[in-house]
Amino acid sequence: EDKVVQSPLSLVVHEGDTVTLNCSYEVTNFRSLLWYKQEKKAPTFLFMLTSSGIEKKSGRLSSILDKKELFSILNITATQTGDSAVYLCAALYSGSYQLTFGKGTKLSVIP
Amino acid sequence: EAGVTQFPSHSVIEKGQTVTLRCDPISGHDNLYWYRRVMGKEIKFLLHFVKESKQDESGMPNNRFLAERTGGTYSTLKVQPAELEDSGVYFCASSHSNVGQGAIRNEQFFGPGTRLTVL
Repeated sequence: EDKVVQSPLSLVVHEGDTVTLNCSYEVTNFRSLLWYKQEKKAPTFLFMLTSSGIEKKSGRLSSILDKKELFSILNITATQTGDSAVYLCAALYSGSYQLTFGKGTKLSVIP
Repeated sequence: EAGVTQFPSHSVIEKGQTVTLRCDPISGHDNLYWYRRVMGKEIKFLLHFVKESKQDESGMPNNRFLAERTGGTYSTLKVQPAELEDSGVYFCASSHSNVGQGAIRNEQFFGPGTRLTVL
């Protein structure tokens, strides 16, 4: 069964810290990897990564994909309390539109 | 632009009863998906509609679950009869049509979910 593994499961940092969230995947016929942020209800889309080595950035968040080593990282610099959320990683593979999710990383940013 | 909406936010029913969940996708999105998160587990795919047609229902757990999308707009997911293990959060998502582009640009936008509790 295809599997997406996120680490750590939980993380507590202070405001201003930089964090790196990890996502590894074992997906046959892999196409893309997506990152979502889930605060209270709906997971909100952050990034979609398809090509290896190309960094995507949005403000203090950035992400990169390594298709050789089958992992992606999500970086958040100068964290703020508003970054507290569960960050979800999901893989998309050829021939299907279904997302295969990891269990998520719960990030707590304390003042 | 309005996002994906789901109704109700939370439903509590007894084992053996029937529940119907509703999802309204983003206007113009042909693709509609249902996912479920059971406590302690990851979000799992249930099924995928393209307009009114079921494209992939490989994730549906059993025949107590029935999804419909008549007219290709909103969708309903009915659980009948509900069992204890059906408890969880049911998410709906939608995405643009990808004709000619394949799944490579399939950015799925999620609704807030319906929390189903079966007692």
